[in-house]
Amino acid sequence: AQSVTQPDIHITVSEGASLELRCNYSYGATPYLFWYVQSPGQGLQLLLKYFSGDTLVQGIKGFEAEFKRSQSSFNLRKPSVHWSDAAEYFCAVGTGGGADGLTFGKGTHLIIQP
Amino acid sequence: EAEVAQSPRYKITEKSQAVAFWCDPISGHATLYWYRQILGQGPELLVQFQDESVVDDSQLPKDRFSAERLKGVDSTLKIQPAELGDSAMYLCASSSPKQGVNTEAFFGQGTRLTVV
Repeated sequence: AQSVTQPDIHITVSEGASLELRCNYSYGATPYLFWYVQSPGQGLQLLLKYFSGDTLVQGIKGFEAEFKRSQSSFNLRKPSVHWSDAAEYFCAVGTGGGADGLTFGKGTHLIIQP
Repeated sequence: EAEVAQSPRYKITEKSQAVAFWCDPISGHATLYWYRQILGQGPELLVQFQDESVVDDSQLPKDRFSAERLKGVDSTLKIQPAELGDSAMYLCASSSPKQGVNTEAFFGQGTRLTVV
């Protein structure tokens, strides 16, 4: 069975600083990887996804993520954060071309300092 | 923009009562998922439908939870009787996977359930 680990429960970043959120996965075959963002009391919004091909994927809101098979990682990055980026971020792994249900990490809570 | 609709947004119910949530997926999406998200945790899959058929309900507590998607469109998730530990956000998602085409799941706003 697959699993996802997000090592950081909370991260605090100053507005305008760069951001990296860590994600490690465990899955025996080719993973389908996702990053979602969730504002308080809201549903999940997809930031980006990796299915195959270029290991550096671009997403919405200026986010990008890099798939590193050798490290079983899919870290999320943003060069300069904005106060509106404060939210909960979830990494997820899927199988079956994305058709199967996703396995999520426990999330990283991002706090933006003025 | 098409979106997954869920209702109600919030529900407070007493322990041992029955409660139901409704989900209307994006039009044309054949696959529908129900997830449960406990506060401070990531979502966990409860049940997955392909059209009207259940394809995965291995994590659904079947003694008290039931889910149906009778016409392969909208879906209802029911809890009877509700327990205090059922307090959580219940998220519905849909996708339209086609053979050979990778896809993604779109999530609704969720139903926040509080059992008192």
